[in-house]
Amino acid sequence: DAKTTQPPSMDCAEGRAANLPCNHSTISGNEYVYWYRQIHSQGPQYIIHGLKNNETNEMASLIITEDRKSSTLILPHATLRDTAVYYCIVRVAGGYQKVTFGTGTKLQVIP
Amino acid sequence: EAGVAQSPRYKIIEKRQSVAFWCNPISGHATLYWYQQILGQGPKLLIQFQNNGVVDDSQLPKDRFSAERLKGVDSTLKIQPAKLEDSAVYLCASSLMGVASGANVLTFGAGSRLTVL
Repeated sequence: DAKTTQPPSMDCAEGRAANLPCNHSTISGNEYVYWYRQIHSQGPQYIIHGLKNNETNEMASLIITEDRKSSTLILPHATLRDTAVYYCIVRVAGGYQKVTFGTGTKLQVIP
Repeated sequence: EAGVAQSPRYKIIEKRQSVAFWCNPISGHATLYWYQQILGQGPKLLIQFQNNGVVDDSQLPKDRFSAERLKGVDSTLKIQPAKLEDSAVYLCASSLMGVASGANVLTFGAGSRLTVL
């Protein structure tokens, strides 16, 4: 019952920007968009989150459309170490909402 | 700060045997989650605790799985008896509790890989 849909896989050339889309057309006004990634054999790792404004940190940028129904995670200069499964989830801040992951996008960075 | 600790990292058992996994969350994190991740799939939430109370356990197979979080800190997930389809990685995560969006960031442990033969 994940609230998001993502493409199952994407390729990106090393050094180029990786743009990972996520559709969350049923997002509520108080739900944030969170991105995590999971490198092989590790637990998922938090990347970034946002509500409606674009966000940037040392790992990535998050672009959320004005209607908030979709977002894009941008890795500006992909490296081989960015090869991972990327998950987009939505949830409210606070409260008791359960946190559900979908199947994510497998990003393969190609040398 | 120390991360989320899980043990054991690997466990191999025969079907119908029992197994227990332990998780120690980040100090001060009120919310604790157990996920099951089968190879090639995304993590599936089994149970979510808020302090020592259960927030959601709708996907926990209660005939064989049980979990507890005594004193609102450490947690144990038990499977008895195990089935072949329980082979998976069991991930524990924790987060703060609060209305700030950053309070809802999950920190995951490395996971416990279970193989049922």
